[in-house]
Amino acid sequence: AQSVTQPDIHITVSEGASLELRCNYSYGATPYLFWYVQSPGQGLQLLLKYFSGDTLVQGIKGFEAEFKRSQSSFNLRKPSVHWSDAAEYFCAVGVGDDKIIFGKGTRLHILP
Amino acid sequence: DVKVTQSSRYLVKRTGEKVFLECVQDMDHENMFWYRQDPGLGLRLIYFSYDVKMKEKGDIPEGYSVSREKKERFSLILESASTNQTSMYLCASSRQDRDYDEQYFGPGTRLTVT
Repeated sequence: AQSVTQPDIHITVSEGASLELRCNYSYGATPYLFWYVQSPGQGLQLLLKYFSGDTLVQGIKGFEAEFKRSQSSFNLRKPSVHWSDAAEYFCAVGVGDDKIIFGKGTRLHILP
Repeated sequence: DVKVTQSSRYLVKRTGEKVFLECVQDMDHENMFWYRQDPGLGLRLIYFSYDVKMKEKGDIPEGYSVSREKKERFSLILESASTNQTSMYLCASSRQDRDYDEQYFGPGTRLTVT
């Protein structure tokens, strides 16, 4: 069955430190992969997506993600976080017919 | 600027009431979705629609119905609200495309059923 796993429910990093959020997926075919961010009191916003080609994908707000087929992973990274990056982050995979399924989310806390 | 709006940010209803959650998008998108978001469970798809008057069940349709009479509007209906339907409800829309298009989300409606 298709699924998305985000192993970390909460992550805390200091402002200016680097960040990596983990995501593993289970899907039979070539996956369509996404990262969305939800700021407090807001809907979700797309950070980046991977369909094919270069396995390192650049997104908005300085985020990037790397697709690793051998590890079934699509981890999100940022070299230096800002206090405004505090939010909940969702990894997602396309499952056909324009539908996507979401992981349970990772809440990012930033220490000043 | 693309926009998905939801009729209420906060809603309090009593058990047994019929509840309507409205969603409107101004992007002429074919697809519209209703999700439910609960802590620790992420987003779960309730219903989606590919076109006017068309609807498909998602992963958790029990206790819900939907209506799409116009392309821009997708309504979620709780026929008889129950306390276990207290949740955040998110609406989204997207284009139909050869590849997956981005889903655009509304700000959500936080529904409390007492």
